[in-house]
Amino acid sequence: SAVISQKPSRDICQRGTSLTIQCQVDSQVTMMFWYRQQPGQSLTLIATANQGSEATYESGFVIDKFPISRPNLTFSTLTVSNMSPEDSSIYLCSGRLQGTEQYFGPGTRLTVT
Amino acid sequence: GDSVTQMEGPVTLSEEAFLTINCTYTATGYPSLFWYVQYPGEGLQLLLKATKADDKGSNKGFEATYRKETTSFHLEKGSVQVSDSAVYFCALRYFGNEKLTFGTGTRLTIIP
Repeated sequence: SAVISQKPSRDICQRGTSLTIQCQVDSQVTMMFWYRQQPGQSLTLIATANQGSEATYESGFVIDKFPISRPNLTFSTLTVSNMSPEDSSIYLCSGRLQGTEQYFGPGTRLTVT
Repeated sequence: GDSVTQMEGPVTLSEEAFLTINCTYTATGYPSLFWYVQYPGEGLQLLLKATKADDKGSNKGFEATYRKETTSFHLEKGSVQVSDSAVYFCALRYFGNEKLTFGTGTRLTIIP
């Protein structure tokens, strides 16, 4: 199994600023994922992050808005850039060990004012 | 495109009641189906899964059967406990594809 932590757990930010969310895994995972959960909606995959390569973004998400880093097999960051109130969401990261399903972090609750 | 629809919450039940949380899906192929649970302050945890039609996933007293004819994967438990209070998410994923497609989640509260 894997235990995933995220920082910060929540934040309130002003529009136009950026926030970087950190995701730490206690095991080496081949693939890491970033999701967004907007109020009252389901989780939506933003991108898949593999070490040593550019993240792969889902339709509707772009690197300029959500740059992702994956410097090693246990760590990733997601930046929410030039924020607007519409970016207010819960952001979750997950990781997958070989032969298992995804393990999720507790999420980062972001409010943009 | 593929989608997952869950019954709307919140759902409030008394301890030892029977639980059903409905989940139906729309898919172009034959995905695997999952139930995830999120306890307060924690990340989503895989509760159970089924990979093909008529498979039954089970864990911690919860069960769900993959029904291809009704495109459903309803979650059931015969006798709920206060500790089952959480948000439950139904999801699908195709073999060889990492992308999970989630429903909106159902908040369950069990009162003693």
